[in-house]
Amino acid sequence: KAGVTQTPRYLIKTRGQQVTLSCSPISGHRSVSWYQQTPGQGLQFLFEYFSETQRNKGNFPGRFSGRQFSNSRSEMNVSTLELGDSALYLCASSLKTGHSGNTIYFGEGSWLTVV
Amino acid sequence: GQQLNQSPQSMFIQEGEDVSMNCTSSSIFNTWLWYKQDPGEGPVLLIALYKAGELTSNGRLTAQFGITRKDSFLNISASIPSDVGIYFCAGQPIIIQGAQKLVFGQGTRLTINP
Repeated sequence: KAGVTQTPRYLIKTRGQQVTLSCSPISGHRSVSWYQQTPGQGLQFLFEYFSETQRNKGNFPGRFSGRQFSNSRSEMNVSTLELGDSALYLCASSLKTGHSGNTIYFGEGSWLTVV
Repeated sequence: GQQLNQSPQSMFIQEGEDVSMNCTSSSIFNTWLWYKQDPGEGPVLLIALYKAGELTSNGRLTAQFGITRKDSFLNISASIPSDVGIYFCAGQPIIIQGAQKLVFGQGTRLTINP
């Protein structure tokens, strides 16, 4: 069965632009989470969506937003890009939400470089 | 907030040696997951632990969910070159119902000398 699919894999943007990243979860999975990975901060939770609703949000500014569609696919958007937004953005999916007993699988990530 | 302390940060070993790494926290976690990440790729799930005291194996890998629910360890036996990479522990903290997030350790970088 197909894993978590993220597009695009690589992209370069200019400061001030905005970017949209896409994630298709594993078939049947309804929870999608997003994480940012940088050398300095490691893996940091951005937000989680389940049934098209944001269920949890990490400590990121409002420039970071997301949404989930009825087919569980998700997008995240970063507006007014800053150099510090350069990172690997990872999408993860799980069958359900909740803080117990869930196995969470990651995609290969989208590498964003802001110049 | 919740933090995971993962150690060691790096390991340099000979092929065939056993490896041990662990994560500790001051907070309780409901689930512990161990991932391996290769350069340029996303984390790949190795082992999932759901109950305090649980000991689970996956081939040469063994992991345990600590009794206090505040720690976990991962052992790799008879290391081989393809074990090279960065290993992350991740825990699911107890948060609001109907939501989830993972808190990650800083990673253990494993290097193997043939």
